[in-house]
Amino acid sequence: KAGVTQTPRYLIKTRGQQVTLSCSPISGHRSVSWYQQTPGQGLQFLFEYFSETQRNKGNFPGRFSGRQFSNSRSEMNVSTLELGDSALYLCASSLRTSGGNEQFFGPGTRLTVL
Amino acid sequence: AQSVTQPDIHITVSEGASLELRCNYSYGATPYLFWYVQSPGQGLQLLLKYFSGDTLVQGIKGFEAEFKRSQSSFNLRKPSVHWSDAAEYFCAVGARTGNQFYFGTGTSLTVIP
Repeated sequence: KAGVTQTPRYLIKTRGQQVTLSCSPISGHRSVSWYQQTPGQGLQFLFEYFSETQRNKGNFPGRFSGRQFSNSRSEMNVSTLELGDSALYLCASSLRTSGGNEQFFGPGTRLTVL
Repeated sequence: AQSVTQPDIHITVSEGASLELRCNYSYGATPYLFWYVQSPGQGLQLLLKYFSGDTLVQGIKGFEAEFKRSQSSFNLRKPSVHWSDAAEYFCAVGARTGNQFYFGTGTSLTVIP
């Protein structure tokens, strides 16, 4: 079974631009979660989507948004980029949205904001 | 509030030596607990998880962890470290509903030949 894939793997943007990251979950998985990983803050939960609906949201500004499609693929969008948005963005998929499910992580998208 | 603390930012051990990585959590109910490992340029791989029952759980690659409710801890152990174990290790608490994980800041492991 193919793992979680994320595209692109690397992105360089400038302040004020917007960016869209994509995540394809493991086949059959309907839950997709997004995390931001930075050296200072570690891994922080952004949001979770299940059956095209946002189920949980972390403490991030509205510039961070996402969506999920009927095939469970998910996209994350960051508008008006700031230098502090430079990070590794990880996507994780899971079978269900009930608690305690193992999450399978993708390799991440490295975003650099100049 | 939920939180996870990994007190050791960086640990260095000799190959063949034993290893213990510490994890303390704060959560309002019995948590779901996980240990993940991240190698450079890779995503996170699950080592082991605790939901309920036996407080000593076995994982992949020879790792084990013990849940101690009285100490709010979930320490990761390995009796004999291999050079390939060098990586970043993350402890996480999973919410009882939904898939939101709260991660510690990680412990970087260096293995000396």
